[in-house]
Amino acid sequence: GQNIDQPTEMTATEGAIVQINCTYQTSGFNGLFWYQQHAGEAPTFLSYNVLDGLEEKGRFSSFLSRSKGYSYLLLKELQMKDSASYLCAVRDSDYKLSFGAGTTVTVRA
Amino acid sequence: GAVVSQHPSWVICKSGTSVKIECRSLDFQATTMFWYRQFPKQSLMLMATSNEGSKATYEQGVEKDKFLINHASLTLSTLTVTSAHPEDSSFYICSARDPGLDYEQYFGPGTRLTVT
Repeated sequence: GQNIDQPTEMTATEGAIVQINCTYQTSGFNGLFWYQQHAGEAPTFLSYNVLDGLEEKGRFSSFLSRSKGYSYLLLKELQMKDSASYLCAVRDSDYKLSFGAGTTVTVRA
Repeated sequence: GAVVSQHPSWVICKSGTSVKIECRSLDFQATTMFWYRQFPKQSLMLMATSNEGSKATYEQGVEKDKFLINHASLTLSTLTVTSAHPEDSSFYICSARDPGLDYEQYFGPGTRLTVT
């Protein structure tokens, strides 16, 4: 099984940068995903890491260290619409995703 | 990107009745679909993995006789909540895996089930 930890809540100011950390203990690691979820909606894909290092995608970047069981999602130039829950998910060799509890990010003006 | 639809988007039913939720991949063939449940302010919990043409694989603690899953074609999987009770009220989300892509599961928009 998977054990995935991420902070419950974070608050930041519009235009700022926020980093959401995720640590995991896993059997059969086959990739780490970050999703954004607004209340009452399904998750939307943000990023995917399977090798160590940084993946950059516009204002969002994600980092992975497999040896440390650690990832982070970096959100730059925060906008009000970025207020949402951010889910860290680990995929196993059967392509099943295990989700963390999610981090609620609140962006203040 | 690929599109996955769910129907209905919300449903209210009486305790003891059964409800069927459909999940369709609209522009790709999904050999594997996944069903998740999400309670308020909690994360997604995988219920079962649905493989086309074979029996679903259920996660520990999920009653297979209560949550019936059928994956009769490469574009359709159904979840039937049988003899629903108020504690089954939840947000049910399906996802479909495109075997042509390594990394993405495409999520449906979810179905809000309320059992009264």
